[in-house]
Amino acid sequence: AQSVTQLGSHVSVSEGALVLLRCNYSSSVPPYLFWYVQYPNQGLQLLLKYTTGATLVKGINGFEAEFKKSETSFHLTKPSAHMSDAAEYFCAVSVSGGYNKLIFGAGTRLAVHP
Amino acid sequence: EPEVTQTPSHQVTQMGQEVILRCVPISNHLYFYWYRQILGQKVEFLVSFYNNEISEKSEIFDDQFSVERPDGSNFTLKIRSTKLEDSAMYFCASSRQPNEKLFFGSGTQLSVL
Repeated sequence: AQSVTQLGSHVSVSEGALVLLRCNYSSSVPPYLFWYVQYPNQGLQLLLKYTTGATLVKGINGFEAEFKKSETSFHLTKPSAHMSDAAEYFCAVSVSGGYNKLIFGAGTRLAVHP
Repeated sequence: EPEVTQTPSHQVTQMGQEVILRCVPISNHLYFYWYRQILGQKVEFLVSFYNNEISEKSEIFDDQFSVERPDGSNFTLKIRSTKLEDSAMYFCASSRQPNEKLFFGSGTQLSVL
Protein backbone atom coordinates (compact mmCIF):
# COMPACT_ATOMS: atom_id res chain seq x y z
CA ALA A 1 0.00 0.00 0.00
CA GLN A 2 1.15 3.51 -0.74
CA SER A 3 1.83 6.05 1.98
CA VAL A 4 3.46 9.44 2.40
CA THR A 5 5.33 10.87 5.36
CA GLN A 6 6.13 14.54 5.67
CA LEU A 7 8.75 15.31 8.27
CA GLY A 8 7.98 18.46 10.21
CA SER A 9 4.45 19.77 10.52
CA HIS A 10 5.81 23.31 10.83
CA VAL A 11 8.87 24.82 9.18
CA SER A 12 10.01 28.40 9.69
CA VAL A 13 12.60 30.16 7.55
CA SER A 14 13.86 33.67 7.06
CA GLU A 15 13.10 35.55 3.88
CA GLY A 16 15.84 34.76 1.38
CA ALA A 17 16.82 31.50 3.07
CA LEU A 18 16.67 28.02 1.56
CA VAL A 19 13.35 26.21 1.83
CA LEU A 20 13.51 22.44 2.33
CA LEU A 21 10.32 20.48 2.92
CA ARG A 22 10.79 16.76 3.36
CA CYS A 23 8.68 13.98 1.93
CA ASN A 24 9.23 10.24 1.99
CA TYR A 25 6.94 7.79 0.29
CA SER A 26 6.21 4.11 0.30
CA SER A 27 4.97 2.43 -2.85
CA SER A 28 5.04 -1.10 -4.18
CA VAL A 29 4.87 0.17 -7.77
CA PRO A 30 6.68 3.04 -9.51
CA PRO A 31 5.08 6.11 -7.98
CA TYR A 32 3.67 9.27 -9.37
CA LEU A 33 4.58 12.00 -6.86
CA PHE A 34 3.13 15.44 -6.36
CA TRP A 35 3.52 18.57 -4.29
CA TYR A 36 0.47 20.73 -3.68
CA VAL A 37 0.29 24.12 -1.99
CA GLN A 38 -2.65 25.57 -0.12
CA TYR A 39 -2.82 29.28 0.57
CA PRO A 40 -5.27 30.53 3.22
CA ASN A 41 -8.90 30.21 2.13
CA GLN A 42 -7.92 28.67 -1.19
CA GLY A 43 -7.96 25.19 -2.71
CA LEU A 44 -5.05 22.88 -3.27
CA GLN A 45 -2.87 24.00 -6.16
CA LEU A 46 -0.45 21.72 -7.97
CA LEU A 47 3.16 22.92 -7.56
CA LEU A 48 4.92 20.15 -9.45
CA LYS A 49 4.79 16.47 -10.26
CA TYR A 50 7.05 13.55 -11.03
CA THR A 51 5.81 10.78 -13.29
CA THR A 52 8.70 9.32 -15.26
CA GLY A 53 11.93 10.55 -16.81
CA ALA A 54 14.05 13.33 -15.34
CA THR A 55 14.26 12.99 -11.58
CA LEU A 56 14.65 16.72 -10.92
CA VAL A 57 11.37 18.43 -11.62
CA LYS A 58 10.73 22.13 -11.64
CA GLY A 59 7.44 23.67 -10.65
CA ILE A 60 5.82 27.01 -10.28
CA ASN A 61 7.08 29.87 -8.12
CA GLY A 62 10.70 28.69 -8.23
CA PHE A 63 10.12 25.39 -6.44
CA GLU A 64 11.72 22.14 -7.47
CA ALA A 65 11.82 18.59 -6.17
CA GLU A 66 14.06 15.62 -6.77
CA PHE A 67 12.87 12.03 -6.94
CA LYS A 68 15.39 9.76 -5.23
CA LYS A 69 14.34 6.16 -5.57
CA SER A 70 17.15 4.83 -3.37
CA GLU A 71 16.02 7.09 -0.53
CA THR A 72 12.28 6.89 -1.36
CA SER A 73 12.22 10.65 -1.08
CA PHE A 74 10.75 13.57 -2.96
CA HIS A 75 11.89 16.65 -1.04
CA LEU A 76 10.72 20.10 -2.09
CA THR A 77 13.21 22.95 -2.25
CA LYS A 78 13.43 26.61 -3.15
CA PRO A 79 16.75 28.48 -3.04
CA SER A 80 15.37 31.73 -1.63
CA ALA A 81 12.16 32.03 0.37
CA HIS A 82 9.75 34.85 -0.23
CA MET A 83 7.09 36.09 2.16
CA SER A 84 4.43 34.98 -0.32
CA ASP A 85 5.59 31.36 0.03
CA ALA A 86 3.96 31.12 3.45
CA ALA A 87 1.35 28.38 3.04
CA GLU A 88 0.67 24.73 3.73
CA TYR A 89 2.43 22.22 1.49
CA PHE A 90 1.25 18.70 0.83
CA CYS A 91 3.18 15.84 -0.68
CA ALA A 92 1.09 13.15 -2.39
CA VAL A 93 1.52 9.85 -4.18
CA SER A 94 -0.84 8.43 -6.75
CA VAL A 95 -2.32 5.04 -6.04
CA SER A 96 -3.44 4.21 -9.52
CA GLY A 97 -0.48 5.62 -11.39
CA GLY A 98 -2.57 8.53 -12.61
CA TYR A 99 -3.41 11.85 -11.09
CA ASN A 100 -6.79 11.20 -9.64
CA LYS A 101 -6.70 9.03 -6.52
CA LEU A 102 -4.07 10.61 -4.35
CA ILE A 103 -2.65 9.63 -0.98
CA PHE A 104 -1.61 12.78 0.85
CA GLY A 105 0.89 13.46 3.56
CA ALA A 106 -0.15 15.33 6.67
CA GLY A 107 1.14 18.63 5.34
CA THR A 108 3.85 21.06 6.36
CA ARG A 109 3.02 24.64 7.26
CA LEU A 110 5.74 26.96 6.04
CA ALA A 111 6.22 30.28 7.82
CA VAL A 112 8.52 32.93 6.32
CA HIS A 113 9.69 35.72 8.58
CA PRO A 114 11.49 38.94 7.65
CA GLU B 1 -6.91 29.79 -14.86
CA PRO B 2 -10.29 28.02 -14.65
CA GLU B 3 -11.62 27.29 -11.17
CA VAL B 4 -13.64 24.71 -9.35
CA THR B 5 -16.16 26.49 -7.16
CA GLN B 6 -17.68 25.14 -3.97
CA THR B 7 -20.63 26.37 -1.97
CA PRO B 8 -21.12 27.10 0.81
CA SER B 9 -17.68 27.89 2.21
CA HIS B 10 -18.93 27.06 5.70
CA GLN B 11 -21.80 24.81 6.72
CA VAL B 12 -22.99 24.22 10.26
CA THR B 13 -25.49 21.47 10.95
CA GLN B 14 -26.93 19.46 13.79
CA MET B 15 -26.01 15.82 14.24
CA GLY B 16 -28.44 13.60 12.37
CA GLN B 17 -29.34 16.20 9.78
CA GLU B 18 -28.78 15.80 6.06
CA VAL B 19 -26.34 18.11 4.29
CA ILE B 20 -25.59 18.67 0.63
CA LEU B 21 -22.27 20.14 -0.40
CA ARG B 22 -22.19 21.66 -3.82
CA CYS B 23 -19.48 21.94 -6.42
CA VAL B 24 -19.27 23.35 -9.90
CA PRO B 25 -16.40 21.60 -11.71
CA ILE B 26 -14.58 23.14 -14.63
CA SER B 27 -16.89 23.05 -17.61
CA ASN B 28 -15.02 20.70 -19.95
CA HIS B 29 -13.94 18.29 -17.23
CA LEU B 30 -15.31 14.76 -17.14
CA TYR B 31 -13.88 13.29 -13.93
CA PHE B 32 -15.00 14.48 -10.53
CA TYR B 33 -13.78 13.78 -7.01
CA TRP B 34 -14.42 14.48 -3.37
CA TYR B 35 -11.69 14.58 -0.76
CA ARG B 36 -11.90 15.59 2.87
CA GLN B 37 -9.55 16.76 5.60
CA ILE B 38 -10.42 16.37 9.24
CA LEU B 39 -8.74 19.06 11.31
CA GLY B 40 -5.15 18.12 12.00
CA GLN B 41 -5.28 15.04 9.79
CA LYS B 42 -4.39 14.14 6.21
CA VAL B 43 -6.40 14.96 3.12
CA GLU B 44 -8.27 11.74 2.29
CA PHE B 45 -9.80 10.49 -0.94
CA LEU B 46 -13.54 9.83 -0.71
CA VAL B 47 -14.89 9.10 -4.16
CA SER B 48 -14.37 9.51 -7.88
CA PHE B 49 -17.18 9.89 -10.42
CA TYR B 50 -17.30 9.55 -14.17
CA ASN B 51 -20.07 9.14 -16.72
CA ASN B 52 -22.73 9.44 -14.03
CA GLU B 53 -21.31 6.59 -12.01
CA ILE B 54 -19.02 6.16 -9.06
CA SER B 55 -15.76 4.80 -10.45
CA GLU B 56 -14.01 4.33 -7.14
CA LYS B 57 -14.70 4.97 -3.46
CA SER B 58 -12.79 4.68 -0.23
CA GLU B 59 -13.75 2.87 2.96
CA ILE B 60 -14.86 6.22 4.39
CA PHE B 61 -17.55 6.55 1.71
CA ASP B 62 -20.20 4.39 3.36
CA ASP B 63 -23.96 4.28 2.85
CA GLN B 64 -24.38 7.64 4.53
CA PHE B 65 -22.64 9.30 1.60
CA SER B 66 -23.85 9.75 -1.96
CA VAL B 67 -22.82 11.79 -4.95
CA GLU B 68 -24.82 13.10 -7.83
CA ARG B 69 -24.49 15.20 -10.94
CA PRO B 70 -28.04 16.52 -11.05
CA ASP B 71 -27.53 18.69 -14.11
CA GLY B 72 -24.78 19.56 -16.56
CA SER B 73 -22.83 21.74 -14.17
CA ASN B 74 -23.22 20.76 -10.53
CA PHE B 75 -21.63 17.88 -8.62
CA THR B 76 -22.95 17.27 -5.12
CA LEU B 77 -21.96 15.30 -2.05
CA LYS B 78 -24.82 14.34 0.27
CA ILE B 79 -24.39 13.11 3.81
CA ARG B 80 -27.69 11.57 4.87
CA SER B 81 -27.43 11.65 8.64
CA THR B 82 -24.42 13.60 9.81
CA LYS B 83 -22.24 12.48 12.68
CA LEU B 84 -19.84 14.52 14.78
CA GLU B 85 -16.92 12.80 13.07
CA ASP B 86 -18.09 14.08 9.67
CA SER B 87 -16.84 17.52 10.67
CA ALA B 88 -14.10 18.31 8.16
CA MET B 89 -13.08 20.40 5.19
CA TYR B 90 -14.52 18.83 2.06
CA PHE B 91 -12.71 19.45 -1.22
CA CYS B 92 -14.19 18.92 -4.65
CA ALA B 93 -11.84 18.34 -7.58
CA SER B 94 -12.14 17.76 -11.28
CA SER B 95 -9.98 16.76 -14.22
CA ARG B 96 -10.47 16.50 -17.94
CA GLN B 97 -8.98 13.03 -18.08
CA PRO B 98 -7.95 10.67 -15.24
CA ASN B 99 -4.28 11.19 -16.00
CA GLU B 100 -4.45 14.95 -16.25
CA LYS B 101 -4.04 17.66 -13.66
CA LEU B 102 -6.51 17.77 -10.79
CA PHE B 103 -8.08 21.12 -10.06
CA PHE B 104 -9.31 21.56 -6.49
CA GLY B 105 -11.95 23.87 -5.12
CA SER B 106 -11.33 25.98 -2.02
CA GLY B 107 -13.38 23.64 0.14
CA THR B 108 -16.46 23.61 2.33
CA GLN B 109 -15.85 23.56 6.06
CA LEU B 110 -18.55 21.34 7.57
CA SER B 111 -19.17 21.58 11.30
CA VAL B 112 -21.50 19.03 12.88
CA LEU B 113 -22.74 20.02 16.33
